[in-house]
Amino acid sequence: EADIYQTPRYLVIGTGKKITLECSQTMGHDKMYWYQQDPGMELHLIHYSYGVNSTEKGDLSSESTVSRIRTEHFPLTLESARPSHTSQYLCASSEAGNRANTEAFFGQGTRLTVV
Amino acid sequence: GENVEQHPSTLSVQEGDSAVIKCTYSDSASNYFPWYKQELGKGPQLIIDIRSNVGEKKDQRIAVTLNKTAKHFSLHITETQPEDSAVYFCAASKAAGNKLTFGGGTRVLVKP
Repeated sequence: EADIYQTPRYLVIGTGKKITLECSQTMGHDKMYWYQQDPGMELHLIHYSYGVNSTEKGDLSSESTVSRIRTEHFPLTLESARPSHTSQYLCASSEAGNRANTEAFFGQGTRLTVV
Repeated sequence: GENVEQHPSTLSVQEGDSAVIKCTYSDSASNYFPWYKQELGKGPQLIIDIRSNVGEKKDQRIAVTLNKTAKHFSLHITETQPEDSAVYFCAASKAAGNKLTFGGGTRVLVKP
């Protein structure tokens, strides 16, 4: 069982509200990722981090922002939520480098609905 | 950037039959190809992976094959069981531990 946790699991929020999705891992992984998952299943990388104070935009443009102040914590923030932000958000982590056993471990996801 | 295509998008098989999912990738520099299984309400979980220095890998009922020349790789599930019903994703990256580009997913339904 992966030691990566996302909270909340479900969130329904009104348009214009600021929200933060939490992601924490206890595996000491340097690399962390945020993926957005469509209702049609596809996973799109929106942010990643290769270590503390390192954040990069992913392949899919997103209005969200992230921070990486501590190794174990990689929160995602939406300053002003809109209905177009409604989606499932998945956090993942992996070890750095090209060693064996460097699989990405995923959290259970946060299903966000903006009304 | 990398582009990964996955087919089919849905697959229905009878229990005990085999299931095959195919993926192609575009970046010849990719050398790590994991497969993830996502059950309802859960995050994806790695089931098998293959690196570019091997052509085939097997783990009990699941196997993955890789053709680097053609830039495609496949997942094979034999003797399917109802608990194999899930969404399966292929992915590619330039190294294990690096960011993954996922295929579009295959929803597999195993009928008892």
